[in-house]
Amino acid sequence: EVQLVESGGGLVQPGESLRLSCAASGFTFSSYWMHWVRQVPGKGLVWVSRMNSDGSRTSHADSVKGRFTISRDNAKNTLYLQMKSLRAEDTAVYYCARGSGWYSFDHWGQGTLVTVSS
Amino acid sequence: QTVVTQEPSFSVSPGGTVTLTCGLSSGSVSTDYYPSWYQQSPGQPPRTLIYNTNTRSSGVPDRFSGSILGNKAALIITGAQADDESDYYCVLYMGNYMLFGGGTRLTVL
Repeated sequence: EVQLVESGGGLVQPGESLRLSCAASGFTFSSYWMHWVRQVPGKGLVWVSRMNSDGSRTSHADSVKGRFTISRDNAKNTLYLQMKSLRAEDTAVYYCARGSGWYSFDHWGQGTLVTVSS
Repeated sequence: QTVVTQEPSFSVSPGGTVTLTCGLSSGSVSTDYYPSWYQQSPGQPPRTLIYNTNTRSSGVPDRFSGSILGNKAALIITGAQADDESDYYCVLYMGNYMLFGGGTRLTVL
């Protein structure tokens, strides 16, 4: 069974950093694109970042470019999202999602809440 | 700035058929955008319904189908059931990034 478990969320102050993790199991992690998607509570889903299977290709939404970095450790079956210079508008539930090809998602984690507030 | 458009809300009667659409603020949606569809119930993560325009994800009943209708992607739900009442999101592959629509809240009543 495919499982994606996010962790690392919490309350941070504006300008601080946080690293999210997504532990994957039940599939060959190193064979799949992986994504981060976020959702402000009560609002819609927003794509954040993606990384290809071997980590050689990444892309980020303009809203996080230069502040967020996606990475992965295929030996540990884990996806990461390093977030710097956090802003109040980054407050959201962050989901990791397995890519179905490079163009969609097929499995989702339960999400981890990041709150940026002073 | 390109925006993916979806109906904010829609209503369907139990047993009825509803077509939700996914368009682009400028231009037409085609299979080149690999449209996909996701269902989200309150407090839950999204669930994948359709990818690559019309391929159902594993375990999704065949009353959910996807297509291109005119210049938009479409999610068609036939025989609507009470537990289809959810938010539905489409996503388009834009090359260097992926773009979600604002979502459609579907009410079954």
